[in-house]
Amino acid sequence: GQNIDQPTEMTATEGAIVQINCTYQTSGFNGLFWYQQHAGEAPTFLSYNVLDGLEEKGRFSSFLSRSKGYSYLLLKELQMKDSASYLCAVKDSNYQLIWGAGTKLIIKP
Amino acid sequence: EADIYQTPRYLVIGTGKKITLECSQTMGHDKMYWYQQDPGMELHLIHYSYGVNSTEKGDLSSESTVSRIRTEHFPLTLESARPSHTSQYLCASTKGGEAGELFFGEGSRLTVL
Repeated sequence: GQNIDQPTEMTATEGAIVQINCTYQTSGFNGLFWYQQHAGEAPTFLSYNVLDGLEEKGRFSSFLSRSKGYSYLLLKELQMKDSASYLCAVKDSNYQLIWGAGTKLIIKP
Repeated sequence: EADIYQTPRYLVIGTGKKITLECSQTMGHDKMYWYQQDPGMELHLIHYSYGVNSTEKGDLSSESTVSRIRTEHFPLTLESARPSHTSQYLCASTKGGEAGELFFGEGSRLTVL
């Protein structure tokens, strides 16, 4: 079967750095996405990786290793507004998105 | 800012009722999706469409139907609501392509008593 694993919950301090990991086992790979979802709101797109390496976008970076079936989302200079769930999703061989359950990130002052 | 809209945002109904959740987008996207999401759980694909008169079933489609008569409109219908249908329903669209990001509506939170 297809599977996406992420930690259920993480806690970090305002101003710090946090890394949210995602491991996947899917039938084929056509890209990995990270979305942010604030409580009670819709998910919004953060990043896309299809080749190995690091993609940087402001305070957020996303890394991919296809050989290891592994990605992480790195958030720097954490702000209170970064408190949200972070969803990892992989596009499989049929170009369908397989979603992880999300990591709830709690930011403390 | 995403131009995709869902109604109703919240709905409480009794068992056995027929309901339709509306979804419209003004971005001209061909691909549209319906997902179900419970708290702390992954999104589950219910139905999707790659264009007008094209609809496909996802993982949780057996108790619902969709139609795609116009590009911008993709309604989801539950013929007979049950308490197990209580959930958040998210509509999304994308222009497609490898890196095509999904744009989500605000969601419809359904409670079936």
